[in-house]
Amino acid sequence: RKEVEQDPGPFNVPEGATVAFNCTYSNSASQSFFWYRQDCRKEPKLLMSVYSSGNEDGRFTAQLNRASQYISLLIRDSKLSDSATYLCVVKMRGSTLGRLYFGRGTQLTVWP
Amino acid sequence: GAGVSQSPSNKVTEKGKDVELRCDPISGHTALYWYRQRLGQGLEFLIYFQGNSAPDKSGLPSDRFSAERTGESVSTLTIQRTQQEDSAVYLCASSLAGSGGYTFGSGTRLTVV
Repeated sequence: RKEVEQDPGPFNVPEGATVAFNCTYSNSASQSFFWYRQDCRKEPKLLMSVYSSGNEDGRFTAQLNRASQYISLLIRDSKLSDSATYLCVVKMRGSTLGRLYFGRGTQLTVWP
Repeated sequence: GAGVSQSPSNKVTEKGKDVELRCDPISGHTALYWYRQRLGQGLEFLIYFQGNSAPDKSGLPSDRFSAERTGESVSTLTIQRTQQEDSAVYLCASSLAGSGGYTFGSGTRLTVV
């Protein structure tokens, strides 16, 4: 079983739509959680960290459920520029302190 | 520097040749990572350096792959006797020790012909 699992999509939504991505992780000792964004043929970039209490950054809301080992990202009022692949990322405690585990990504296309 | 710098940005090599990829991390970032991303695929962990600790090499796919880093400076990833399946984008990232956010370089696109 992979450490981080995501629905690969693709998700195709119209501008203005609300879309949600989910992610599960296998290691209960996971310590920190993130969403990264990767544009086509570009490197991944940190979108936001995910905090236990949930957090919001503009149109983006991230939530964490430790009991279910589940992370989500909600995008409201989608823009064309939101089209990208969204990577769920987990950092685990242990011998490889600091190493991040990446999901394979969920592809989003926002159409006009 | 201001960001993570990788060179070359593109490399085409013949099957069987050796290649060396370079990563220059953000100054002060003690952690450095190499990942590989094949076309249309997710990120595949290769190796992780943290300060002067022994590197985590658990992701290196074969003994043709090796990487070095001296202290907290530049890292090189070497692929010997390249094969066509080595064709991918090789991404380097760095971070402060204990922090979660990586900064990635723009990658080296390796094509083995």
